[in-house]
Amino acid sequence: GDSVTQMEGPVTLSEEAFLTINCTYTATGYPSLFWYVQYPGEGLQLLLKATKADDKGSNKGFEATYRKETTSFHLEKGSVQVSDSAVYFCALMDSNYQLIWGAGTKLIIKP
Amino acid sequence: EAGVAQSPRYKIIEKRQSVAFWCNPISGHATLYWYQQILGQGPKLLIQFQNNGVVDDSQLPKDRFSAERLKGVDSTLKIQPAKLEDSAVYLCASSPGTANSPLHFGNGTRLTVT
Repeated sequence: GDSVTQMEGPVTLSEEAFLTINCTYTATGYPSLFWYVQYPGEGLQLLLKATKADDKGSNKGFEATYRKETTSFHLEKGSVQVSDSAVYFCALMDSNYQLIWGAGTKLIIKP
Repeated sequence: EAGVAQSPRYKIIEKRQSVAFWCNPISGHATLYWYQQILGQGPKLLIQFQNNGVVDDSQLPKDRFSAERLKGVDSTLKIQPAKLEDSAVYLCASSPGTANSPLHFGNGTRLTVT
């Protein structure tokens, strides 16, 4: 079945560092891909999405590119801030319109 | 547009008591989901509705959990009787129900069972 694998955390960075959170997927066909973010005590917020190969999703300085050849959707940001500290989830949408989730990566940004 | 509304925000009950959660999805969204998220874990789908019909409830513990979506809009999730292991955040999400449409989540209800 479909699955999503993302790098384990926590990931700890200093403010203004470059961020990469790896995400790879296994799926039949070409599903839509998403990154969600969860701040402490809050629900899940859509961060960005990509619906087809080579699409780049972007929002709030974060970017991710749908790579069909490597079945990846890595999340990147050029300069992180303390306010980016949160848990990040990679997900794909299966044929039943259900999200298949990665395990989540906790990001800690130190000032 | 208004987001997904959930209530209550927090609930503390004793084991064996019952509890109910309410969700109002984004207007026009046909698909509604209930998730359970245990601390430190990803969300687990409990039930998915398309309008007022159940699409998938394979992971819903039906001996104690029930959910309904009357008239295809609001939904309630009930637990009766609650167990300690039901302590979690219960998230409601909605979407238009198409392949490229993301799910929109509410802020969740944090349930503590003592």
